Amino acid sequence: DTEVTQTPKHLVMGMTNKKSLKCEQHMGHRAMYWYKQKAKKPPELMFVYSYEKLSINESVPSRFSPECPNSSLLNLHLHALQPEDSALYLCASSTRPGLAGDEQYFGPGTRLKVS
Amino acid sequence: RKEVEQDPGPFNVPEGATVAFNCTYSNSASQSFFWYRQDCRKEPKLLMSVYSSGNEDGRFTAQLNRASQYISLLIRDSKLSDSATYLCVVNMLPGGGADGLTFGKGTHLIIQP
Repeated sequence: DTEVTQTPKHLVMGMTNKKSLKCEQHMGHRAMYWYKQKAKKPPELMFVYSYEKLSINESVPSRFSPECPNSSLLNLHLHALQPEDSALYLCASSTRPGLAGDEQYFGPGTRLKVS
Repeated sequence: RKEVEQDPGPFNVPEGATVAFNCTYSNSASQSFFWYRQDCRKEPKLLMSVYSSGNEDGRFTAQLNRASQYISLLIRDSKLSDSATYLCVVNMLPGGGADGLTFGKGTHLIIQP
């Protein structure tokens, strides 16, 4: 079962709010990812966690703060977002860091609107 | 220069026809290649990995040409349910593994009855 779950499915937040997105997988995958996808655009990588450690941060503004509490969970903490941050936020996981050809599996995403 | 390039389409194809998509990538050291499909307002779903020897999964055939840095996807006997956006995806960094994927902008396919 290649299932990645994400909550909430939809989120509306004001620019002064603090909220968190959650991602979970129980496939034993040791790499987890956050992507951002705007309408009619492909997903863009934000962060990569490898063995629960942040390995890649694609110059994402500090108002996005990732956290990996354990090998199954990945959070994205949001604070003081801007309207242009409205997008679909996708979580993905893959089996093992360093494995060439490793396939990534995506969760259903959280559709975020900032107003 | 764009890292992964695809024709955005749309490709309007009658049901039962064969359709082919192509994609080029810029980083010659790339190790891993995939096709994903994405339905409207859904997440990308892995369709197939792409290997140098070429690989087939039912009606779908993928090919990789490393010399030309070119990936293709062929769909035979197309079904209405094949209508989607097809994303060419490359792991740009050598060594593969826990690196983010780079997506092409996708090719929009519409199968017409």
